[in-house]
Amino acid sequence: AQSVTQLGSHVSVSEGALVLLRCNYSSSVPPYLFWYVQYPNQGLQLLLKYTSAATLVKGINGFEAEFKKSETSFHLTKPSAHMSDAAEYFCAVRGKTSYDKVIFGPGTSLSVIP
Amino acid sequence: GAVVSQHPSWVICKSGTSVKIECRSLDFQATTMFWYRQFPKQSLMLMATSNEGSKATYEQGVEKDKFLINHASLTLSTLTVTSAHPEDSSFYICSAYRGERTSYNEQFFGPGTRLTVL
Repeated sequence: AQSVTQLGSHVSVSEGALVLLRCNYSSSVPPYLFWYVQYPNQGLQLLLKYTSAATLVKGINGFEAEFKKSETSFHLTKPSAHMSDAAEYFCAVRGKTSYDKVIFGPGTSLSVIP
Repeated sequence: GAVVSQHPSWVICKSGTSVKIECRSLDFQATTMFWYRQFPKQSLMLMATSNEGSKATYEQGVEKDKFLINHASLTLSTLTVTSAHPEDSSFYICSAYRGERTSYNEQFFGPGTRLTVL
């Protein structure tokens, strides 16, 4: 069965500092991997996705993530945090069969300190 | 990108009443939709998979008689919470796939519905 863990339920960074949100997955074969952002009382917005093309994936709002099969990781980074980045971030995994279920990690709440 | 809407965006009801939440794909046809529940400060938990023209598939531990799902058309799925109780208060989010069944496609999420049961 697939699963996702996110190290750190809450991360605080200073404005302008590097953002690093960790995600590790468990899957028998390399799956599809996603990062979503959720602002309060809103749905999810896709930041980026890995679908077995390039291992370094660039997303919206300056975020990127690198798929590392040897580490079963898909950490999310952004070089310089902005106040508007404060939100809840979810890593998710999905199998490669069409309509496989998406399994979400527990989420990481990102705070940005001015 | 594709748009998925939900209605209502929030609803308050009395304990024991039923509440219907609609999920619509506005600019594409969705043969499969998913319903998630999210409690405060928690992640999304998949409740069920809604398939157009057939019965929904429920996740383990989800009461199918309590959470009725109807996917009557390619653009509409409804979730009815029957005899709602305060513990059913949650944020309900739907999602839909667009594309052919044989190809990878992206899942688009609705904005969510906040249900509060008094």
